[in-house]
Amino acid sequence: EAQVTQNPRYLITVTGKKLTVTCSQNMNHEYMSWYRQDPGLGLRQIYYSMNVEVTDKGDVPEGYKVSRKEKRNFPLILESPSPNQTSLYFCASSEPKGGGTEAFFGQGTRLTVV
Amino acid sequence: QKEVEQDPGPLSVPEGAIVSLNCTYSNSAFQYFMWYRQYSRKGPELLMYTYSSGNKEDGRFTAQVDKSSKYISLFIRDSQPSDSATYLCAMSGGSYIPTFGRGTSLIVHP
Repeated sequence: EAQVTQNPRYLITVTGKKLTVTCSQNMNHEYMSWYRQDPGLGLRQIYYSMNVEVTDKGDVPEGYKVSRKEKRNFPLILESPSPNQTSLYFCASSEPKGGGTEAFFGQGTRLTVV
Repeated sequence: QKEVEQDPGPLSVPEGAIVSLNCTYSNSAFQYFMWYRQYSRKGPELLMYTYSSGNKEDGRFTAQVDKSSKYISLFIRDSQPSDSATYLCAMSGGSYIPTFGRGTSLIVHP
């Protein structure tokens, strides 16, 4: 089954404690991205990757890091989380479709930073 | 100004109503237009996509694109309570990373 898998689904952590949210896709997609979703603000792109070892900043990259060492994995790293990073996070991988693109999303990770 | 503007709602309608959801955009490079549906506590899923100006139908759903006005719409006929969700428009140009609108929350009450 084609899917994007994020872990963990829920996480409560304390300010300053480094954490990693993993993302893996089994569709051999080149394109992957991370979003955060906040009430009233919608989906905002954090980082994206066009291929292995190729990453770039999205709209809200401050406080986040990513890496793309393998095609299937695209972890999101918070080196020193702060309460304003409390949010719902989605990983997505994309493929061409009908001349455009279709993004497949993971189940989401609800992060709370206290 | 955001590249893609979408009214967050909520939009509340009675069952059976025709629903109109809309987005405007500013980037002329956008060529591909999509609508995603997101149920509560789930990730968004692709509902419809279209490339050209005009209409595209899929069952009760119709996607409409007007490139000259930079305006896209999603119409839902005979709306059902199961259509209650957040609907996000998305669009892309040359890259395969879509740009999303904020999403419109739709509530269809029996």
